[in-house]
Amino acid sequence: ETGVTQSPTHLIKTRGQQVTLRCSSQSGHNTVSWYQQALGQGPQFIFQYYREEENGRGNFPPRFSGLQFPNYSSELNVNALELDDSALYLCASSLGAGPANEQFFGPGTRLTVL
Amino acid sequence: KQEVTQIPAALSVPEGENLVLNCSFTDSAIYNLQWFRQDPGKGLTSLLLIQSSQREQTSGRLNASLDKSSGRSTLYIAASQPGDSATYLCAVLSYNTDKLIFGTGTRLQVFP
Repeated sequence: ETGVTQSPTHLIKTRGQQVTLRCSSQSGHNTVSWYQQALGQGPQFIFQYYREEENGRGNFPPRFSGLQFPNYSSELNVNALELDDSALYLCASSLGAGPANEQFFGPGTRLTVL
Repeated sequence: KQEVTQIPAALSVPEGENLVLNCSFTDSAIYNLQWFRQDPGKGLTSLLLIQSSQREQTSGRLNASLDKSSGRSTLYIAASQPGDSATYLCAVLSYNTDKLIFGTGTRLQVFP
């Protein structure tokens, strides 16, 4: 059984650019959640995708958007990057969207915005 | 609004000590509480998940308790080892938001 994987591992961008981060969910999981973790902070919920539809969103601006594909892998897109977007981006997959479903986290993508 | 606080923010102990990490939350309407371990620059590893109806969970040298009425959880680590050095995060899944709310973590260092 393959766990949650994310790519790339590290990424450096400049202000104003756009970035796409990718996540492959654990085998059999149909739900992916994305989190942003700034240095020294706990992860903050960005949004969740369930069966290719957005299923809940945290307090992030519209320039943070996502997609989920038929194989349940997911992308996080961030437009017009700002310095404060520098963070570790984590995705987590689960068997379903409900609260009874435990989330399993990937290793994260470290984004640096210069 | 659910808020999760972890005390202490950092802890440094000699190998072999038993230690307690604390987590408190402001809204007791939760589905569950989870403890995670995070190594520097890495993702999260789930350690223990306690459902709201449970009082504690154990895994090896780790024991987590939950007191929903007082909004508190503790993670007890027995006979600490240098390999336990990491940041420990607690997170609650709240009824009103249906998403995980994390604390800021306790950074633990166990020295030989």
